[in-house]
Amino acid sequence: KTQVEQSPQSLVVRQGENCVLQCNYSVTPDNHLRWFKQDTGKGLVSLTVLVHENDKTSNGRYSATLDKDAKHSTLHITATLLDDTATYICVVGDRGSALGRLHFGAGTQLIVIP
Amino acid sequence: EAAVTQSPRNKVTVTGGNVTLSCRQTNSHNYMYWYRQDTGHGLRLIHYSYGAGNLQIGDVPDGYKATRTTQEDFFLLLELASPSQTSLYFCASSDVDNSDYTFGSGTRLLVI
Repeated sequence: KTQVEQSPQSLVVRQGENCVLQCNYSVTPDNHLRWFKQDTGKGLVSLTVLVHENDKTSNGRYSATLDKDAKHSTLHITATLLDDTATYICVVGDRGSALGRLHFGAGTQLIVIP
Repeated sequence: EAAVTQSPRNKVTVTGGNVTLSCRQTNSHNYMYWYRQDTGHGLRLIHYSYGAGNLQIGDVPDGYKATRTTQEDFFLLLELASPSQTSLYFCASSDVDNSDYTFGSGTRLLVI
């Protein structure tokens, strides 16, 4: 059973627009949550990590929130650029230790058009 | 610069063939992982290791072997490759508390 669900599956926006990506999960315990960016055929690059209840992070044009009660996270991208075209993957870690396992969402494919 | 390097970047083999995917990390991490990524699925864990000589079974281990020869090097072996193993393979390393996770650039494998 998929424990990390991302929506939408794909999204097309015009350059300069903002967008919001969603991640819902059922992983327990939920030690931390990461958002990764994956360019086509490339590796995963970490954008941000959220650890605490109601955490909020900001990394340039990327900002993220985490609601552990609702087991829900959002990734906001402001003023999108063509280079933001990629797959964004939500990953939940169930422990902050050597025993921890990562649970991956299938990703949201974002396409930014001129 | 600390990194995870995979080789080869691309590989084509025939059904029944023998394939070895290589991964080297210079992060001084103890933990290394092999994942496969397929359309419509999140990354799925094949094997992982806590250190040299250690091997742990992941979630989709069938048809795969792995070996961790040093802290830096982790290999994935497909001894009788099948078309179902056509996929994009990622290696990753992490520190003890999983606060730092680094992925390689991937190896695209095609089994024909």
